[in-house]
Amino acid sequence: DQQVKQNSPSLSVQEGRISILNCDYTNSMFDYFLWYKKYPAEGPTFLISISSIKDKNEDGRFTVFLNKSAKHLSLHIVPSQPGDSAVYFCAGGGSNYKLTFGKGTLLTVNP
Amino acid sequence: ETGVTQSPTHLIKTRGQQVTLRCSSQSGHNTVSWYQQALGQGPQFIFQYYREEENGRGNFPPRFSGLQFPNYSSELNVNALELDDSALYLCASSYGRRSNTGELFFGEGSRLTVL
Repeated sequence: DQQVKQNSPSLSVQEGRISILNCDYTNSMFDYFLWYKKYPAEGPTFLISISSIKDKNEDGRFTVFLNKSAKHLSLHIVPSQPGDSAVYFCAGGGSNYKLTFGKGTLLTVNP
Repeated sequence: ETGVTQSPTHLIKTRGQQVTLRCSSQSGHNTVSWYQQALGQGPQFIFQYYREEENGRGNFPPRFSGLQFPNYSSELNVNALELDDSALYLCASSYGRRSNTGELFFGEGSRLTVL
């Protein structure tokens, strides 16, 4: 049972343009959602989170949108930079620290 | 501030053997979680330790076991290794049993190959 789904294994974007990464979930009990970024040979690093009671959270070039009725969230990166090229994981969490991750989306930002 | 460190970074074992992976949590953190990331998959929760006690477990068999020490470092032990245990094992630390944001601080992982 895949509670968090990232249906696009990869995404390619031109430098300076917007990157939109999508995530769907089935577990209505998640209290918050997070995005992690992972470079090869490194552990995942936290990028941005959003509480389930919010619909938007912004941090610099990164904005996460949450649509609870559709059980969908998205990460927008504007403008995209080559250093943003990485695997992005969407995750849902509840009252403890257990996170449920999607399979990830490989973002490639071309110069 | 010292981040999360894991050892070894890479290791190769044969089926049926046992392995111990180690993790030092970030300074000030008292909770350690372990995740398994198979190739092409997202990290999957194995278990979590809070103040030396198991505080939640994912869908992994009992041959996956762990420990947390008084200094909050942790070990993951896997007995009777199977080929499917080949994966990147990630340790993550945090402070407290519960979280409002869920942010975890991950180490670089231990890459286990079972032949």
